[in-house]
Amino acid sequence: GDSVTQMEGPVTLSEEAFLTINCTYTATGYPSLFWYVQYPGEGLQLLLKATKADDKGSNKGFEATYRKETTSFHLEKGSVQVSDSAVYFCALSDQNRGSTLGRLYFGRGTQLTVWP
Amino acid sequence: SAVISQKPSRDICQRGTSLTIQCQVDSQVTMMFWYRQQPGQSLTLIATANQGSEATYESGFVIDKFPISRPNLTFSTLTVSNMSPEDSSIYLCSGGQTYTEAFFGQGTRLTVV
Repeated sequence: GDSVTQMEGPVTLSEEAFLTINCTYTATGYPSLFWYVQYPGEGLQLLLKATKADDKGSNKGFEATYRKETTSFHLEKGSVQVSDSAVYFCALSDQNRGSTLGRLYFGRGTQLTVWP
Repeated sequence: SAVISQKPSRDICQRGTSLTIQCQVDSQVTMMFWYRQQPGQSLTLIATANQGSEATYESGFVIDKFPISRPNLTFSTLTVSNMSPEDSSIYLCSGGQTYTEAFFGQGTRLTVV
């Protein structure tokens, strides 16, 4: 079945360091891919998404590229800030292109802590 | 966007008891969802709740253990029944028009002792 495998955490970085959080997936069809972020005390919120191969999602300096050949959707940021400290979840939706009915499959989340 | 309030935010419960988690949305939504994250595991969908119909449960989850109510378009509850330590998890509520256009509550951290 569909699934997401996410890099084990926690990840601890100094401010302005480069961030990569790895995410690979298993799916049939044409899934959409997502990164969600959960800041302390808040609900999950959508960070970025990509709906087809080679699409790049980006938001708040974060980027992820949908790589069908490697079934990956790694999250990157060139220079992290203390305010980026949060839990990051990779997810896929088994919706087919043009449909919005697909359910979400999440990874286990990666805790990121950024020190000043 | 929608704001989702979930309560309680955390609780410690005795085994054999039940806990009801409430989820309130500040606007009407078609679908509401309940997720569980056990320690070290993925966030997993428990069930989908639409107003006026029985909740749809995912494989491995049953109504007797996780009864869900959806009395209107802004509110839902999840009950964790006859709890055991294995039910210690974070429970998340979300709501929206579709799975992928949904907003999430902050979660309920449940510890069963």
